Amino acid sequence: SQQGEEDPQALSIQEGENATMNCSYKTSINNLQWYRQNSGRGLVHLILIRSNEREKHSGRLRVTLDTSKKSSSLLITASRAADTASYFCAPSDGGSEKLVFGKGTKLTVNP
Amino acid sequence: GAVVSQHPSWVICKSGTSVKIECRSLDFQATTMFWYRQFPKQSLMLMATSNEGSKATYEQGVEKDKFLINHASLTLSTLTVTSAHPEDSSFYICSAPGLHPSGYTFGSGTRLTVV
Repeated sequence: SQQGEEDPQALSIQEGENATMNCSYKTSINNLQWYRQNSGRGLVHLILIRSNEREKHSGRLRVTLDTSKKSSSLLITASRAADTASYFCAPSDGGSEKLVFGKGTKLTVNP
Repeated sequence: GAVVSQHPSWVICKSGTSVKIECRSLDFQATTMFWYRQFPKQSLMLMATSNEGSKATYEQGVEKDKFLINHASLTLSTLTVTSAHPEDSSFYICSAPGLHPSGYTFGSGTRLTVV
């Protein structure tokens, strides 16, 4: 397993704006997952993108993966105050291996 | 979808006592459970991995005699913080590989405060 590194560490935007956060990793992966953590809660799985996929959508979420650059991005469109949370990426070699988390991106969406 | 129920949500205990945290997989069998600890404004730190029917695997620096993990069935894993001290106060979260493509399923966390 390996740890992803999210960037920026903090992001503050206005409601309705788009939020983009990035993730970099070091070695080849089977898939990459994005999670959200609301304050004082557990993590919620948002989306999983496989190494042979370049882009994936889920509602207002768009995830891209560039395996040549070993990076991924998470775009939240038309953000809402409820999107305020910390976001973590988790590169995975597949299977049921342990996930290691970085510091995350703390997103604040101001009403 | 896959759900992991974690209890208690919060607990306050006195120094020197032990606290047990339970994580149950409600609609799937969790042969593996991961236990994390999170200090305020920090990321999740993996403590250990429990596997049903075998001994848990602890990450470097985690005291296995202090953090007892039991995974006696396919739906229940427990973490017992023994002889708790104030520095053990933290947010503990469990996680299990869920149903593809749902990623991993996390419990809602347990806020432990040792006084």
